[in-house]
Amino acid sequence: SQQGEEDPQALSIQEGENATMNCSYKTSINNLQWYRQNSGRGLVHLILIRSNEREKHSGRLRVTLDTSKKSSSLLITASRAADTASYFCAPLTGGGNKLTFGTGTQLKVEL
Amino acid sequence: NAGVTQTPKFQVLKTGQSMTLQCAQDMNHNSMYWYRQDPGMGLRLIYYSASEGTTDKGEVPNGYNVSRLNKREFSLRLESAAPSQTSVYFCASWDRGTLNTEAFFGQGTRLTVV
Repeated sequence: SQQGEEDPQALSIQEGENATMNCSYKTSINNLQWYRQNSGRGLVHLILIRSNEREKHSGRLRVTLDTSKKSSSLLITASRAADTASYFCAPLTGGGNKLTFGTGTQLKVEL
Repeated sequence: NAGVTQTPKFQVLKTGQSMTLQCAQDMNHNSMYWYRQDPGMGLRLIYYSASEGTTDKGEVPNGYNVSRLNKREFSLRLESAAPSQTSVYFCASWDRGTLNTEAFFGQGTRLTVV
């Protein structure tokens, strides 16, 4: 197992703008998952992208995966104040049992 | 379905006291996890149970013990609480056998050790 490293640590944007956050990891993966955490609550799963996929969409979310660069990005389009949260990635390897997280990207969407 | 349920939601302990945090899931998941999250930090893995009957240390196991009571329940025990264990504790469960699925988290236990 491994943990991803999210970048940037903090991001502040205006409502309606797009937000992009990145995740880097070190070893080959089976899939990579993104989670959101609202103000001290439990993490909530957003989207999963498999190692053989390059891009995936879910509503206003777009995730890309570049396995050659061992990186993923999460794009939130037309952001809303309700998107204010911390975002974590979790790269998952086939043989691992641990589910670990980095320190996340803290997104603040201002009105 | 309730998902992942943690009890209690809040707790204040005195240094040296003991307590057990309870976690139960009703999704028939095989893997369960305990994390702690300190202010402004990410989640750090304390212990996990990949399947019923097994437990393993995570990144920060010192000062904690766990019990996988059955497939549904995974408890975390603090034998002698210390102020450094003041944190928010999250339990999660995951169907590890089906790789491409998501983990589910409880709402957290906010623990203060004075």
